[in-house]
Amino acid sequence: GESVGLHLPTLSVQEGDNSIINCAYSNSASDYFIWYKQESGKGPQFIIDIRSNMDKRQGQRVTVLLNKTVKHLSLQIAATQPGDSAVYFCAATNSGYSTLTFGKGTMLLVSP
Amino acid sequence: SQTIHQWPATLVQPVGSPLSLECTVEGTSNPNLYWYRQAAGRGLQLLFYSVGIGQISSEVPQNLSASRPQDRQFILSSKKLLLSDSGFYLCAWSPGWGNEQFFGPGTRLTVL
Repeated sequence: GESVGLHLPTLSVQEGDNSIINCAYSNSASDYFIWYKQESGKGPQFIIDIRSNMDKRQGQRVTVLLNKTVKHLSLQIAATQPGDSAVYFCAATNSGYSTLTFGKGTMLLVSP
Repeated sequence: SQTIHQWPATLVQPVGSPLSLECTVEGTSNPNLYWYRQAAGRGLQLLFYSVGIGQISSEVPQNLSASRPQDRQFILSSKKLLLSDSGFYLCAWSPGWGNEQFFGPGTRLTVL
């Protein structure tokens, strides 16, 4: 089965810094990956996704990097803002017919 | 555009009482539907998913059940709640497999 983990439970950064949140997955058949942001008391919000035919994808202030060789992906947030403070989850699936497996989450704390 | 609703937003129930949480999706047809539970400070645990009316798959054996009486309605139920059923219950939908899941606002359940 799939297990998805995160390297750090909490990441503290200063406003304006770049943040990097890491995630490892175990199933080499996983071919679709998503990053979610969850603010306290709310449902997870989609941030960005990437399929296994890519190794990098950029959004607004966010970049996801995928290294299939070591089964690792990361979320980079540029110029982190206090509003970025939340728990970030990675999720992975085999898109053929499989549910998403979520990691445990990393709490990002942004101080002004 | 698509929207997903959950109610109630919060619920406090005594041990042994029944439970019914409702989730509805608007603006799409034949979605995959999911129920997750999230314990405090923890990741998301998939409870049930459904690919169509009357089709329910259970991921974790427990005293909860799910039903899908209509295409865009997903219900989570219990006949007798346990203390361990407390948590944040999230409903999600996706346009089939291999796509992002969109989450509802969640229901905070406290069993006393």
